[in-house]
Amino acid sequence: GENVEQHPSTLSVQEGDSAVIKCTYSDSASNYFPWYKQELGKRPQLIIDIRSNVGEKKDQRIAVTLNKTAKHFSLHITETQPEDSAVYFCAASNDYKLSFGAGTTVTVRA
Amino acid sequence: KAGVTQTPRYLIKTRGQQVTLSCSPISGHRSVSWYQQTPGQGLQFLFEYFSETQRNKGNFPGRFSGRQFSNSRSEMNVSTLELGDSALYLCASSPGLGGGGTEAFFGQGTRLTVV
Repeated sequence: GENVEQHPSTLSVQEGDSAVIKCTYSDSASNYFPWYKQELGKRPQLIIDIRSNVGEKKDQRIAVTLNKTAKHFSLHITETQPEDSAVYFCAASNDYKLSFGAGTTVTVRA
Repeated sequence: KAGVTQTPRYLIKTRGQQVTLSCSPISGHRSVSWYQQTPGQGLQFLFEYFSETQRNKGNFPGRFSGRQFSNSRSEMNVSTLELGDSALYLCASSPGLGGGGTEAFFGQGTRLTVV
């Protein structure tokens, strides 16, 4: 089955700096890669996603890149702000199963 | 459009008891997945139901079971509760199996405490 590995498990950045979270997947049939953000005490919510026919996608301060050959995808957050502090989960879907990474706890220091 | 609704929000049970949690998906969504989340842990996949059939299953003991009704609402049951079952249980709904290449929407979760 699909195995999604996510690194790092924790990330502390200075406000205004960039944050990068990396994920790898094992199933070459995976074709949809969403990222979820879970703030403390809240439900996970989709922040950005990318499909296998696209190499990069941006939405304001966040971007996701996908390397299908290497089977890895990354989340980039630029100009981090205190409200970016949360747990981030990457995921990979092969149309019949959605598999999540273990999560990255991001702390933005003021 | 109503979101995913989980009931109850909080539960306190005694070790050895059983519990049933409910999840009502977004209208039109046929897939419901269940996850266990403990402090500092990620989303541990329990199972996924699609069109009333369990399609995917995680590595949890048989004490954890579920079902899905014809209106796509799903219930999860845990029998013979153990202290280690204390967790936030989240369900997520999506239009298709495995997310179907679209966003999965999470409910607010049920916080289960076993004493």
